Amino acid sequence: DAGVIQSPRHEVTEMGQEVTLRCKPISGHNSLFWYRQTMMRGLELLIYFNNNVPIDDSGMPEDRFSAKMPNASFSTLKIQPSEPRDSAVYFCASSPQVTGELFFGEGSRLTVL
Amino acid sequence: QKEVEQNSGPLSVPEGAIASLNCTYSDRGSQSFFWYRQYSGKSPELIMSIYSNGDKEDGRFTAQLNKASQYVSLLIRDSQPSDSATYLCAVLLYSSASKIIFGSGTRLSIRP
Repeated sequence: DAGVIQSPRHEVTEMGQEVTLRCKPISGHNSLFWYRQTMMRGLELLIYFNNNVPIDDSGMPEDRFSAKMPNASFSTLKIQPSEPRDSAVYFCASSPQVTGELFFGEGSRLTVL
Repeated sequence: QKEVEQNSGPLSVPEGAIASLNCTYSDRGSQSFFWYRQYSGKSPELIMSIYSNGDKEDGRFTAQLNKASQYVSLLIRDSQPSDSATYLCAVLLYSSASKIIFGSGTRLSIRP
């Protein structure tokens, strides 16, 4: 079975550019989480969805970040405009329900120059 | 106080010994606790979940939970070089609509 699929795996962009990260959760999972990981701050929860509805976006750093889940099989995390401090690995994870048993994608490594 | 706290390590353990990893959490009402393993450059993967006070064993891994002390631990018996990784403690918060928060992780190194 396919796991959580994220794209792109690597993204290098310049400050001020728009970045869109994509995630396809495991089929049948109804909870989806976006995390950001850096050496300094560890794994931070940005936002999560239940049944395509955003439940808690208090971890989104600022208005430059937005996330959507238009249907059960697709989610995006957008940063506009991007800044060097946004450089991190962004993980998407899904869960059959909110149990804490998360299945992670391989991550998208973002570098903003 | 952070919601989930771990000693960042590194923790160095000789091969064949027991590795002990610890985690404390601040949300007293939380009921679900997890240990994830993350190899360098890879994504986290779930290795243990625990919901009740006491011990839960799975192969060489034992998770221990003490809700009164708000403390979770992971023991790895007969440590192998392949156990060298960062171990992340995660808590499903009771107080925040099922938010799942991770500790900063403990880096474990098994020396031959």
